[in-house]
Amino acid sequence: GQNIDQPTEMTATEGAIVQINCTYQTSGFNGLFWYQQHAGEAPTFLSYNVLDGLEEKGRFSSFLSRSKGYSYLLLKELQMKDSASYLCAVATAGNKLTFGGGTRVLVKP
Amino acid sequence: GAVVSQHPSRVICKSGTSVKIECRSLDFQATTMFWYRQFPKQSLMLMATSNEGSKATYEQGVEKDKFLINHASLTLSTLTVTSAHPEDSSFYICSARIRDRAFNEQFFGPGTRLTVL
Repeated sequence: GQNIDQPTEMTATEGAIVQINCTYQTSGFNGLFWYQQHAGEAPTFLSYNVLDGLEEKGRFSSFLSRSKGYSYLLLKELQMKDSASYLCAVATAGNKLTFGGGTRVLVKP
Repeated sequence: GAVVSQHPSRVICKSGTSVKIECRSLDFQATTMFWYRQFPKQSLMLMATSNEGSKATYEQGVEKDKFLINHASLTLSTLTVTSAHPEDSSFYICSARIRDRAFNEQFFGPGTRLTVL
């Protein structure tokens, strides 16, 4: 079966850094995605990792270690608008995405 | 580019009726479309994979006779919730992959909030 774990909630202060961890055990691996989702809206794409290492895109960075089944999303210089759910998703056979439970990040002033 | 629309955005229906949700790729052809369901404070759960011109593939536990999927063209897939019941109330989201692109990225529609009374 597929198992993707991430923390349920995290709280951080505006301007700070937050790291959201994701561990996965899946049958097959075609890459790992991070999405941001505001309440009542569709997920929006943040990052994609298929090879080990760090991918940096502005204030957001994502890291992948395939041997450890581990990824993290790093959010720097947090802004109030970053308060949202962050979804870790693994692409498996048939290009299907299996999502983790999501991490709700609350940014406080 | 890569915009996916859904219609309607919200629907309220009586128990026992059927509801059709449309998912359209507006500026690209989608080989494959996916249908997800999301309950409050939970993550997205894949319901089925829809391929143009062929039958949908349903995930385990999803009733194919209750959730009818039709992928009539490379830009349109529909999900019909038949004989809806209050427990079917949820946020339904579709996504689409761009035809002939190796990259696995899925583009998500804005979602449809279904409330069954």
